[in-house]
Amino acid sequence: SYELTQPPSVSVFPGQTARITCSGDALPKQYAYWYYQKPGQAPVLVIYKDSARPSGIPERFSGSTSGTTVTLTISGVQAEDEADYYCQATDSSGTYRWVFGGGTKLTVL
Amino acid sequence: QVQLAESGGGVVQPGRSLRLSCAASGFSFSTNVMHWVRQAPGKGLEWVAGTSYDGSNEYYADSVKGRFTISRDNSKNTLYLQMNSLSAEDTAVYYCAKGDYSNYGMDAWGQGTTVTVSS
Repeated sequence: SYELTQPPSVSVFPGQTARITCSGDALPKQYAYWYYQKPGQAPVLVIYKDSARPSGIPERFSGSTSGTTVTLTISGVQAEDEADYYCQATDSSGTYRWVFGGGTKLTVL
Repeated sequence: QVQLAESGGGVVQPGRSLRLSCAASGFSFSTNVMHWVRQAPGKGLEWVAGTSYDGSNEYYADSVKGRFTISRDNSKNTLYLQMNSLSAEDTAVYYCAKGDYSNYGMDAWGQGTTVTVSS
């Protein structure tokens, strides 16, 4: 089955760089998307098509891909970046399914 | 700007049915893929169902296939989710999400409506 694997948690100090990974065998063939979600709020798209940034998303958010792993990088982390982060891709091998990773809690120490 | 407003959530007994609605505005609803995504208490995001721009294609997660039906009324800019044979495992916040231009991502989300399945 199509699965995306993320680390449960990542912790960084303010101003440092946070890297959140997402692994999946099908990622080389599909674009990855990243969302953040703060408690009690709806998810927000922060990266689309592996590395593109929607308007309104700060430049400190970036995405990259290497083989079966995609990475969300947050440079110069700020306290407001503390949130849950989810990767997502689409399984088009049969009928379409949209799949989310399990989520990563980013803690700003 | 894009607005998505879910409604129809509530408390329902196991085995019963519920229909969720999502009113869309601020974009061309009839040209976008639309989705339902849910989040159980304390858990991550789970894609539930999606529909093509004209409703001719429906896609479902295995966990809801045969029980849930996604539909849309483009004349009313409204997305629906008919949920039958509900169980406690369906308890979650249900979000309506707009597909992005690539059809593979979701670039706008509603605030969600809560469904609680309990006797």
